[in-house]
Amino acid sequence: TQLLEQSPQFLSIQEGENLTVYCNSSSVFSSLQWYRQEPGEGPVLLVTVVTGGEVKKLKRLTFQFGDARKDSSLHITAAQPGDTGLYLCAGAVTGNQFYFGTGTSLTVIP
Amino acid sequence: NAGVTQTPKFQVLKTGQSMTLQCAQDMNHNSMYWYRQDPGMGLRLIYYSASEGTTDKGEVPNGYNVSRLNKREFSLRLESAAPSQTSVYFCGTKAGTTGPYEQYFGPGTRLTVT
Repeated sequence: TQLLEQSPQFLSIQEGENLTVYCNSSSVFSSLQWYRQEPGEGPVLLVTVVTGGEVKKLKRLTFQFGDARKDSSLHITAAQPGDTGLYLCAGAVTGNQFYFGTGTSLTVIP
Repeated sequence: NAGVTQTPKFQVLKTGQSMTLQCAQDMNHNSMYWYRQDPGMGLRLIYYSASEGTTDKGEVPNGYNVSRLNKREFSLRLESAAPSQTSVYFCGTKAGTTGPYEQYFGPGTRLTVT
């Protein structure tokens, strides 16, 4: 059973387009993190959101935590080829145990 | 400053063989984790160690054992490997024992069991 479902699973877009990735669950999380993973490497943290309704921006990336702390979204504006990678959300139920989403594989075509 | 290192990078085992995956960190972090990553499944927690001397089961612990040798090292052992354990294994660390601290990951070990 996957606690966190991400959609879409695969996304291929042209450079300059906008996109949104969703991370949904029926469980409540104390915090939620977004990671990006390159082929052959481990995930690297992009952002942590803690408060329901919280919005964080990282250059062209906007992250939102749902009001009920059960879901999150990642929006990328004007995607670039360097944004290509696997995007993973991870929710913390306790301080130590994290549940990862199924992942969204993004390809940005020049 | 190497961060999180994992050995080996690649391994092929026959069904029934045993092996130990090694993880070491030089970040002075308290918590360490072992995950496996399968296509379409994201990362799933196998075991974690909140601090030196403690270990706890995660989502998918069956078929694995762990040892927190000291603060720096956390090993994962497969006693009798099965094809279902073919996966990429990641070791992670976290600074605090609680709270939304960042996890840092090693480069992974790619294991194939035939």
